Amino acid sequence: DTAVSQTPKYLVTQMGNDKSIKCEQNLGHDTMYWYKQDSKKFLKIMFSYNNKELIINETVPNRFSPKSPDKAHLNLHINSLELGDSAVYFCASSPKGQGAVNTEAFFGQGTRLTVV
Amino acid sequence: AQSVSQHNHHVILSEAASLELGCNYSYGGTVNLFWYVQYPGQHLQLLLKYFSGDPLVKGIKGFEAEFIKSKFSFNLRKPSVQWSDTAEYFCAVNPLPGYQKVTFGTGTKLQVIP
Repeated sequence: DTAVSQTPKYLVTQMGNDKSIKCEQNLGHDTMYWYKQDSKKFLKIMFSYNNKELIINETVPNRFSPKSPDKAHLNLHINSLELGDSAVYFCASSPKGQGAVNTEAFFGQGTRLTVV
Repeated sequence: AQSVSQHNHHVILSEAASLELGCNYSYGGTVNLFWYVQYPGQHLQLLLKYFSGDPLVKGIKGFEAEFIKSKFSFNLRKPSVQWSDTAEYFCAVNPLPGYQKVTFGTGTKLQVIP
């Protein structure tokens, strides 16, 4: 029944590894996002996809690559993990895409990534 | 680019005290405004939102917020806090028109003492 679900909830990995975080929404929304929340709780958007098309790509290292196989899924793959990548990553979705007005985002539970 | 400022980083209140958390944004155009709450170890949940109309909006759990356009502010209020309100509170702004690119404030940690 979870509207926006992310897996895994916790991820501990060594520097240099490659890892993926999966996100799925069953709300029928057009737009999905990845946000990063750092240790100071600061939330920053990383990517936004609308109907599988990349719309927003903030200044994120190209080690981060989002993949949207369909509009219900937006996965985040991270290559060559670094210590600074440790954070909580939140997936979100919203009902409308281009020209969206008067919409809100629904967030997943978050994935706590710890790079050691 | 727009920015969102939350001036109170950490607020400590006793139960039954009144709460007001400040939020100011910098964007000259039309915006959607939100307050989200994050309970310890949990995801973000929407408390309330402003899209248009009455600038005083009511949300869940007795929270309300007032949009003052001339001050670019969207302050969150609650007349009487409870211990269960202990959480992190985030103000967020979505500038219009265009894709939803919500910018979050840095958050305010609220600690309610029984």
